[in-house]
Parts: sequence; C-alpha cells; structure tokens
Amino acid sequence: GVTQSPTHLIKTRGQQVTLRCSSQSGHNTVSWYQQALGQGPQFIFQYYEKEERGRGNVPDRFSARQFPNYSSELNVNALLLGDSALYLCASSLEDWGRQETQYFGPGTRLLVL
Amino acid sequence: DAKTTQPNSMESNEEEPVHLPCNHSTISGTDYIHWYRQLPSQGPEYVIHGLTSNVNNRMASLAIAEDRKSSTLILHRATLRDAAVYYCSVLYGQNFVFGPGTRLSVLP
Repeated sequence: GVTQSPTHLIKTRGQQVTLRCSSQSGHNTVSWYQQALGQGPQFIFQYYEKEERGRGNVPDRFSARQFPNYSSELNVNALLLGDSALYLCASSLEDWGRQETQYFGPGTRLLVL
Repeated sequence: DAKTTQPNSMESNEEEPVHLPCNHSTISGTDYIHWYRQLPSQGPEYVIHGLTSNVNNRMASLAIAEDRKSSTLILHRATLRDAAVYYCSVLYGQNFVFGPGTRLSVLP
C-alpha cells in the first residue's frame, strides 16, 4: 500500500518541512492533498511519470517532486499557522490516458506553532 | 469552478439501507464519479466509482442520475463499521475534486 512519513510533525512558523510518500507498487501517478480539520481533501499537486501534471491553488511556498521509483516528496517553505493540516498522498495507475482509482496513505499530520 | 455538495451528516439504524446523496452540477461527459470514506486518523478509502450507468460492488451501489448532475451512494445494510465520513469526488480531467463529506452515524 501507500506509506507516508513522518506520521506526525510539529514545526514553528517560518520553518521548512519535507513530507515523504511511497507509492503503491505498479502505480505511476502520485497526488498530494491538504485536508484541514473537518473538511474534505483539497488538491495540491499531481505528478505523472516524474513530471508535474497538475497544481492546485497553492502558493509558491509549496513544491513537490516524483522520483524514478515513483515515490514523492512534498516541500513547504516559510510555514504559516494556516499550513497546519493532514497532508495526504495518493497513488494511482494511469493507463491509456485514463486515471484509475486513487489509493491513499494514512497521511502526515502537520502542526505549525 | 468545479464543485460537489453533500449533506453534512446523516443517521441510520443498523442493518437498514442508507442513501447518501451528492450533487456535482458542473460535471462533464467524461468526468468519473468516485466515492471514498474516511475513518478517524486514516486516509480516505475507495468505495466505488462510475461514469454513466449504475454500479455495484461488494461494498455498495452507486446510482447516477441520467443527467449525471447528481449521484447516490447506497449501502444496502448499514453496520456499525460503516460509520465514517463519506466523500463524493469527481475526477475533473486529471484532478479529483472532493466534496465536503457526509458524516454517517449508525445506531445500534
């Protein structure tokens, strides 16, 4: 399945953070979501075959990349209190231009103080 | 903007059917409808998806309106383990847009 690390993280305003995700075996697409407390997941990024395919409405402080083994990292610079959320990674297989169902990891809970 | 809407919460008695509605009025002809559910402290879990016709799997059924602007997730016999937040999600192009979720409570 999809794994994420760390499970929990506490940072202070202005710091930088890197979150990691290992895709499910055989999947070539990874997406990142931000989920604030009590809300649905909000799309941040999608990478397909190591290229950025989509970007949500997020500031430039957010960046990501996908590695040759299809794992991924999400980086957030100059953290703000409002960045506190559950960050979800999801992997899927795109086949013939059609994206299949996403499989989510357990998420990383980020708290910014 | 692409958007989905869902009721905030619903309640059901154990072993009774549950119908969870979702509106996705901005959907286009090639956008898939997905449903996920999320338990506390876990990531969303896939439930079912479809495009035009109704779909069934071991977990649930998905009924899609003829104009595709709404859909209904049907749990045929709710159990206590089905208590979760259920999200309707539309795959607009390459991006999933999630609704706000419906918190389902199941009463014994």
